[in-house]
Amino acid sequence: KAGVTQTPRYLIKTRGQQVTLSCSPISGHRSVSWYQQTPGQGLQFLFEYFSETQRNKGNFPGRFSGRQFSNSRSEMNVSTLELGDSALYLCASSSLQGSEQYFGPGTRLTVT
Amino acid sequence: AQRVTQPEKLLSVFKGAPVELKCNYSYSGSPELFWYVQYSRQRLQLLLRHISRESIKGFTADLNKGETSFHLKKPFAQEEDSAMYYCALSNSNSGYALNFGKGTSLLVTP
Repeated sequence: KAGVTQTPRYLIKTRGQQVTLSCSPISGHRSVSWYQQTPGQGLQFLFEYFSETQRNKGNFPGRFSGRQFSNSRSEMNVSTLELGDSALYLCASSSLQGSEQYFGPGTRLTVT
Repeated sequence: AQRVTQPEKLLSVFKGAPVELKCNYSYSGSPELFWYVQYSRQRLQLLLRHISRESIKGFTADLNKGETSFHLKKPFAQEEDSAMYYCALSNSNSGYALNFGKGTSLLVTP
């Protein structure tokens, strides 16, 4: 099976812009979770989608949003980018909630 | 509130020496504990989870509810074990979202 893929792998944006990141889960997986990884805060949970519905949300401002499509692919959007949003954004998929999560390679976002 | 603490940022051991990466958690219910590993230039991957009670790549971890710990152990470290290790906790109350510790960088030197 192909693993979780994320596009783009690297992104440079300017403060105030918005960005959309994409995640394709492992075939057959219906749950997609997003995490932010920074040197200071480590890995933090953003949100989880299952069958196109947000099922769980972490403690992030409303500028962070996401969605899931009928083919289970997911996107996350960050509006009005701040310097502190610079991070590695990881996507993980699983077949069921609570089952093993498989991670993608991440998208490295740099906000200047 | 739930919290995962990995007290060591960096752990350096010699090849063949025993290694123990510490993980302590705070959670009042019944958590599920995991160890994830990230080798250089590779993606984060599951090493083991406490419910499976498996030994992966020679690593084991026992959940100690009394001490709220889930330390990762290996009797004889190998150079290829050098990596970043993350302890994580999940539970049904938080929708099974993974709550990660800050990670421990393990360096095994010859």
